[in-house]
Amino acid sequence: SAVISQKPSRDICQRGTSLTIQCQVDSQVTMMFWYRQQPGQSLTLIATANQGSEATYESGFVIDKFPISRPNLTFSTLTVSNMSPEDSSIYLCSVEWAGSASYNEQFFGPGTRLTVL
Amino acid sequence: GESVGLHLPTLSVQEGDNSIINCAYSNSASDYFIWYKQESGKGPQFIIDIRSNMDKRQGQRVTVLLNKTVKHLSLQIAATQPGDSAVYFCAETGGATNKLIFGTGTLLAVQP
Repeated sequence: SAVISQKPSRDICQRGTSLTIQCQVDSQVTMMFWYRQQPGQSLTLIATANQGSEATYESGFVIDKFPISRPNLTFSTLTVSNMSPEDSSIYLCSVEWAGSASYNEQFFGPGTRLTVL
Repeated sequence: GESVGLHLPTLSVQEGDNSIINCAYSNSASDYFIWYKQESGKGPQFIIDIRSNMDKRQGQRVTVLLNKTVKHLSLQIAATQPGDSAVYFCAETGGATNKLIFGTGTLLAVQP
């Protein structure tokens, strides 16, 4: 399976600032995704990070608030811009691995726990 | 028994008992389903999956059952252990998209 790391693992930020979260995979992957998990809740897909083109955002999420980069097949970043306390969540990167034996199996990173004051 | 907590329903079981976690999925076009386990402070971990052309699949101590008629998925854990304590999510995907849609999750609390 793919090994996924995220940086930072957690952060406490001030309102109005921005934070960039990095996701690194140890092998080339076809698809990378970013999810948000609000406290005590399930995971919600923010966007699909497309290599070499603009990310595909889900309803309720926009590029100005959550700009995403994916410069190659092993790395992506998610920026949470102009943060407010409502952005306090766990942000998770996931990948769909071409070597997976299971159809559409996704592996998740450990998450970045963000607290906005 | 089951109870509804502030955000997540909770299933409390005794160590050694069997656990059954249920999930109602939303899209009749979904053709692939996954159960994930999420321990505190970690990302979701793949447990077991099933395709829509099957109604049962077994792993090590876990079994997933799929009832497409009523759009219901269940995860059975045999001989539940304290290390099984976590939040369990079902996820569905299918059709023209590979996007995962997650269910609300169930907190499994194993009592020693």
